[in-house]
Amino acid sequence: DAGVIQSPRHEVTEMGQEVTLRCKPISGHNSLFWYRQTMMRGLELLIYFNNNVPIDDSGMPEDRFSAKMPNASFSTLKIQPSEPRDSAVYFCASSQQRGNNEQFFGPGTRLTVL
Amino acid sequence: DAKTTQPPSMDCAEGRAANLPCNHSTISGNEYVYWYRQIHSQGPQYIIHGLKNNETNEMASLIITEDRKSSTLILPHATLRDTAVYYCIVRVSFDDKLIFGTGTRLQVFP
Repeated sequence: DAGVIQSPRHEVTEMGQEVTLRCKPISGHNSLFWYRQTMMRGLELLIYFNNNVPIDDSGMPEDRFSAKMPNASFSTLKIQPSEPRDSAVYFCASSQQRGNNEQFFGPGTRLTVL
Repeated sequence: DAKTTQPPSMDCAEGRAANLPCNHSTISGNEYVYWYRQIHSQGPQYIIHGLKNNETNEMASLIITEDRKSSTLILPHATLRDTAVYYCIVRVSFDDKLIFGTGTRLQVFP
């Protein structure tokens, strides 16, 4: 089992550019979560999906952020336009079903916006 | 969700038991206690969870007080690889959200 796969692992971009982060959940998992981690704010939940449907996006900071899950094996988190304050590590996690199950986290994408 | 309180940091000698406390005095009857840890530069990793009974797995033991207002995660024989930030999270059973606090930074020394 390859675990949760995220790409790219590192991204450096300039302010104003579009950034797309990608995630492949563990096969058979039907819940997917996007988190952001910074020194100032810690680990925050941005959005999560169940069966490819967004369930709660209340953590998405603003309209510049959007997330999609077109099928059970792929999700994207897009930032357009990016700003320096978006610099963070973005984690994707998946779990087997809603409710009382452990979440498996990917290795994260370290985003730096100059 | 009920909030948790953890000490910001702890030290433990290698080979000794590490006991990490967590306060969750406002926990509700349907809320579980979860523990995750995050080793430097990696994604968080699930350790264990419980409702009211003590739990044990290959990684750790979880001791929950009878009134459920606090719990202790026990790593029975800490190794240097257990150095990490440990998060105690209270979570409603049917709610998918994990709300991470600031956790306890455990440093295991030789």
